[in-house]
Amino acid sequence: NAGVTQTPKFQVLKTGQSMTLQCAQDMNHEYMSWYRQDPGMGLRLIHYSVGAGITDQGEVPNGYNVSRSTTEDFPLRLLSAAPSQTSVYFCASSRQGKNSPLHFGNGTRLTVT
Amino acid sequence: GQQVMQIPQYQHVQEGEDFTTYCNSSTTLSNIQWYKQRPGGHPVFLIQLVKSGEVKKQKRLTFQFGEAKKNSSLHITATQTTDVGTYFCAGIYAGNNRKLIWGLGTSLAVNP
Repeated sequence: NAGVTQTPKFQVLKTGQSMTLQCAQDMNHEYMSWYRQDPGMGLRLIHYSVGAGITDQGEVPNGYNVSRSTTEDFPLRLLSAAPSQTSVYFCASSRQGKNSPLHFGNGTRLTVT
Repeated sequence: GQQVMQIPQYQHVQEGEDFTTYCNSSTTLSNIQWYKQRPGGHPVFLIQLVKSGEVKKQKRLTFQFGEAKKNSSLHITATQTTDVGTYFCAGIYAGNNRKLIWGLGTSLAVNP
């Protein structure tokens, strides 16, 4: 099993550009989520999904869109990149139920200039 | 709002010394999870505590959940260089379904 796969690993964007961070999991997990990690700020939830066709906002959703057309994939779209979106992005998945641990991808390091 | 406070923010120890990180919540938690993130890596699940007063051990790591389910700790006995990383707690509140409330993490450095 590959687990949670994120691509790309690194990305540099110019302000105003758009891009999609890819996330795929092969564990048949219902729950998927996107976090950003910045120094001193821990992990902050951007968006999450409890199943195909269902998405919801986390604590820092502005500037990001998501969709969940299949159980396996949960892409994160940056609509118009800003320097404030420079961060490390993690996708995570789990089975449904609040006792299920999160499985994280290896992360995408994004720099916006 | 719901917050999980984690202390200390940083800890620097000599190899062989013990290490403890603490998480505190102002309201009762349903359960709490602990994760470890190695430098340059991603968070990896360590353990989950659910019951009041629960204590679980993983080799040199001891995890505790307070009687009131408002605090938790992770204690490492005789640290090794392989313990280096950031340790996060993440709490779930009753009625909050799947939403984890993360502590800011404790970064552990170990001098060989």
